[in-house]
Amino acid sequence: EAAVTQSPRSKVAVTGGKVTLSCHQTNNHDYMYWYRQDTGHGLRLIHYSYVADSTEKGDIPDGYKASRPSQENFSLILELASLSQTAVYFCASSGTGDEQYFGPGTRLTVL
Amino acid sequence: GEQVEQRPPHLSVREGDSAVITCTYTDPNSYYFFWYKQEPGASLQLLMKVFSSTEINEGQGFTVLLNKKDTRLSLNLTAAHPGDSAAYFCAVSVNYGSSGNKLIFGIGTLLSVKP
Repeated sequence: EAAVTQSPRSKVAVTGGKVTLSCHQTNNHDYMYWYRQDTGHGLRLIHYSYVADSTEKGDIPDGYKASRPSQENFSLILELASLSQTAVYFCASSGTGDEQYFGPGTRLTVL
Repeated sequence: GEQVEQRPPHLSVREGDSAVITCTYTDPNSYYFFWYKQEPGASLQLLMKVFSSTEINEGQGFTVLLNKKDTRLSLNLTAAHPGDSAAYFCAVSVNYGSSGNKLIFGIGTLLSVKP
């Protein structure tokens, strides 16, 4: 059974609209992460969290917010979606903060 | 901060050949290293975790070598088969103090194994 799930798996959004990507983990992990994947850039860290009700900025946080309402759930919020945010987004969880286990990804297209 | 350079970005080999992917990193104090495999349209799957005290790890059909002196990590698929065709990513763990650790990823290598 998948331990890290993401929803939706695919989404088309309009420029300027609000987008919420959700992640749920059943690993009982403290750490959760949001990455975006773009060709030629690998994975880049947007936000992460090591405890519920607290989030930290990653390497590319501009244009994104994050929410960790519980240990199991971590959301990524795009308040005003832009064309440049078209990408595949991955959520991951980690118990110790080292090896990370990834969800299936969400393909976001902003038109 | 830590930077990870991964080469080559694309690699095409024949079935049965070896395929070598190399990553160099900048922080000599880095402690944990990882290789992930991503099949087309799929998520990232952890292949191997390497500790700084380990120089060679062997898995099913591949060898990972860590050279701390040269701050280099390599993945060698010893006899590649078409099922190995995928993107491979190295990652280096960086400590953020009380905020925990994060992974710095290489840009990935797209491996194609032709029959």
